[in-house]
Amino acid sequence: QKEVEQNSGPLSVPEGAIASLNCTYSDRGSQSFFWYRQYSGKSPELIMSIYSNGDKEDGRFTAQLNKASQYVSLLIRDSQPSDSATYLCAGGARVTGGGNKLTFGTGTQLKVEL
Amino acid sequence: GAVVSQHPSRVICKSGTSVKIECRSLDFQATTMFWYRQFPKKSLMLMATSNEGSKATYEQGVEKDKFLINHASLTLSTLTVTSAHPEDSSFYICSAVSGSYSDTQYFGPGTRLTVL
Repeated sequence: QKEVEQNSGPLSVPEGAIASLNCTYSDRGSQSFFWYRQYSGKSPELIMSIYSNGDKEDGRFTAQLNKASQYVSLLIRDSQPSDSATYLCAGGARVTGGGNKLTFGTGTQLKVEL
Repeated sequence: GAVVSQHPSRVICKSGTSVKIECRSLDFQATTMFWYRQFPKKSLMLMATSNEGSKATYEQGVEKDKFLINHASLTLSTLTVTSAHPEDSSFYICSAVSGSYSDTQYFGPGTRLTVL
C-alpha cells in the first residue's frame, strides 16, 4: 500500500523561528512531491513542488528531497502566526491526460506562537 | 492563478437522497480532474480521476455505482453521491489540471456534505 507518513503534531514554534516539517513515503514509484497548506475548513493550497534530489527554495520556504531515504521535508524560515495551519505532504504519480495522482500524508499541524 | 469553483459549498440532505456536486475550471480547460474526500481530522483520500469524455478511474474501495462521476466538458466535472447515507458525510474536494504536461493541481474550495 502506498503510504505517506507525517508526524501529526502539533508542532509549536515561536514567531520568527524556523519550522521543520518532515515526511517519508513508501512508494518508490512516486515521481514528484508536493507540500500543501490547509487551513481548517478550507481546501489545500500548493506551497512547493519538488522533483529532484536536493533543495528547492521559494521565498521563506525550502523543500528538500532525498529519494534514497524516501524522505521529504519543508523548512519555513521566519515563521509567522499566519503560517499556522496543517501542512500536507503528497507524493505524485503521473496519469494519462495530465496531472498526478496524489497520495497525501495525514498532515502536520503547525502552530506559530507570538 | 487558475480558479476552480465548486457548487454547492455546503449541502444537507436526508438519508437516501442523491446529491450532485459540480466542479468547474473557470479560466482554463481541465484535461484531468480529481475528486477527493476528507473526513474530519483526516487527510485527503483520492476517490477517482476523470478525463473529459472518458469514464472515470476509481480508486480501490470506492464504489463507482455510488459515486457517479461525469466529466462532460473540459471545464466541468460532476460527482453525484447516490442514495446518500450518514457515513457519506464528508468534505468533498475536486482539483483540476491544465494540460497534459502540467503537474499543478488547482483545488476547488470544497463541498461539505452532511447526510441526516
